[in-house]
Amino acid sequence: EDQVTQSPEALRLQEGESSSLNCSYTVSGLRGLFWYRQDPGKGPEFLFTLYSAGEEKEKERLKATLTKKESFLHITAPKPEDSATYLCAVQARDSGYSTLTFGKGTMLLVSP
Amino acid sequence: DAGITQSPRHKVTETGTPVTLRCHQTENHRYMYWYRQDPGHGLRLIHYSYGVKDTDKGEVSDGYSVSRSKTEDFLLTLESATSSQTSVYFCAISEPMGLQYNEQFFGPGTRLTVL
Repeated sequence: EDQVTQSPEALRLQEGESSSLNCSYTVSGLRGLFWYRQDPGKGPEFLFTLYSAGEEKEKERLKATLTKKESFLHITAPKPEDSATYLCAVQARDSGYSTLTFGKGTMLLVSP
Repeated sequence: DAGITQSPRHKVTETGTPVTLRCHQTENHRYMYWYRQDPGHGLRLIHYSYGVKDTDKGEVSDGYSVSRSKTEDFLLTLESATSSQTSVYFCAISEPMGLQYNEQFFGPGTRLTVL
């Protein structure tokens, strides 16, 4: 059974204080690992897809990295507008195109 | 934003009544999905569709049915709503191309309360 564990559950940062969110996964052959951002009362917003260990992707203050067992979402010099819940999901190679297994998310609060 | 709308956005209903939620897309994506999101559980797949009239069950399909008669519309029906189906429901779409572009794009959600 595919599993995704995100840590910490919640993280409070001061503006400008860099940190990382963790996504540990167990999957029988990874097709892709996905990061989403979710604001309160809204649907998840796609951020990144990572396909293989060693891959990195960046977008503004966010950088996602992937190893064979986990992914990190690094947030550099965060701003209050980065406050949101960040979701990680994996898709197994044998799942067809149907199944994403989601973690429970990390709620990030950035204070000015 | 991906062209996905959900209706209604909020609904309050009573136990035992039928409820239908609608997802409409303007992206012409082949795959459509229904998820529910509950505190402590994250997003869980209810049903999905891989084409018109082609659907399959997800992780938490009991008590739900779906239909897709047009590419752009995917309906989720609760035949007889129960309080355990109180949740936020999200529709998602995707158009996978081999090993790439498996991202799913989500709609704004429907908050359903069953009293």
